[in-house]
Amino acid sequence: RKEVEQDPGPFNVPEGATVAFNCTYSNSASQSFFWYRQDCRKEPKLLMSVYSSGNEDGRFTAQLNRASQYISLLIRDSKLSDSATYLCVVNGRVYGGSQGNLIFGKGTKLSVKP
Amino acid sequence: GAGVSQSPRYKVAKRGQDVALRCDPISGHVSLFWYQQALGQGPEFLTYFQNEAQLDKSGLPSDRFFAERPEGSVSTLKIQRTQQEDSAVYLCASSSEVPGQLRETQYFGPGTRLLVL
Repeated sequence: RKEVEQDPGPFNVPEGATVAFNCTYSNSASQSFFWYRQDCRKEPKLLMSVYSSGNEDGRFTAQLNRASQYISLLIRDSKLSDSATYLCVVNGRVYGGSQGNLIFGKGTKLSVKP
Repeated sequence: GAGVSQSPRYKVAKRGQDVALRCDPISGHVSLFWYQQALGQGPEFLTYFQNEAQLDKSGLPSDRFFAERPEGSVSTLKIQRTQQEDSAVYLCASSSEVPGQLRETQYFGPGTRLLVL
């Protein structure tokens, strides 16, 4: 089983739609979770950290379910500029990473159409 | 420039050639990571430095890969006798936090796109 698994996508949605991405992680001892955004041929950029209580940043809401080892990202009122690949990320310390390397899912591609 | 920079941005190498990829982290950042991103995949960890010390090289795929950060700032990833399977984007990331900080933020450079023919 992969350490971090995501919906394969791609997701093609119209502007204004609500879209949800899901992700599961394999090690229940994992402590830090993130969503990164990666535009085509660009570097990954932190979108938001994911906290146990769930957190919201404008149109973006992240949720963490430790019991199910499940992370989600909800995007409301999608914009054309939201088109990108969304990477689910877990801090790798508990997987044997010595100092906190990040473990990435394969990413889910989102395409928002006019 | 305030961000992480990498050079070259693109590199084409003939199979068997040695290459060196450079990373300039954000000034003062203690932690430096190298990742490899193959087409259609998420980045995968290669190695980690805390200042000049290479504390984790468990992700390096073979002994052809070597990384250094001799003065605790600029880092170089060297690949000897390149193979076609080495073709990927090599990303460098730096962080100001010291190990043990759970919510350290890693800032990525633009990457070096390596193509081995």
